[in-house]
Amino acid sequence: DSGVTQTPKHLITATGQRVTLRCSPRSGDLSVYWYQQSLDQGLQFLIQYYNGEERAKGNILERFSAQQFPDLHSELNLSSLELGDSALYFCASSKEVGQGLYEQYFGPGTRLTVT
Amino acid sequence: KNQVEQSPQSLIILEGKNCTLQCNYTVSPFSNLRWYKQDTGRGPVSLTIMTFSENTKSNGRYTATLDADTKQSSLHITASQLSDSASYICVVSARNTDKLIFGTGTRLQVFP
Repeated sequence: DSGVTQTPKHLITATGQRVTLRCSPRSGDLSVYWYQQSLDQGLQFLIQYYNGEERAKGNILERFSAQQFPDLHSELNLSSLELGDSALYFCASSKEVGQGLYEQYFGPGTRLTVT
Repeated sequence: KNQVEQSPQSLIILEGKNCTLQCNYTVSPFSNLRWYKQDTGRGPVSLTIMTFSENTKSNGRYTATLDADTKQSSLHITASQLSDSASYICVVSARNTDKLIFGTGTRLQVFP
């Protein structure tokens, strides 16, 4: 158990709909990262938040958005869903383990199926 | 362009045997390299992290090596067990950023 929690574990929805994925980082971790992993694909970095502020953006579509709240939990909002958005969505939080070196701890993921 | 390539794409070995997975990267300026284990449908779990000054690091039956000159890393698994069946992902970070660049992984299957 990494200490990162994600809800829900599974989500099935129809094309055109909007969903919200939730992540709670490990206690004390200020950074939250979101990743997308499509079937048999590598992890694709979507976005990072640090202490409530957006820090880095990856391959995140305009239909997707995220935020980090004052209690440090984060939500990833996916709208106008398409079949190709079906994937595992992982959240990770990080802590510094050395000078400038950060270890990322991944949550169990949310499996999104768009039908 | 910063990239991480892994080989082989998939590997099947018998329980008890050793195996070596490869990772080549073009990330610059290099900061650190990690190996993660990802069980099917689960989140990745860190096995090792190596900075540019380290050339080997072990975690139980897992030993990672790093050659920063040739930009290559390997993950050696000794005396494989059925529970080693998973995807092994090489991840590289550039200096002055905590953004990670992921390889597509090697899918390892250990058969009895």
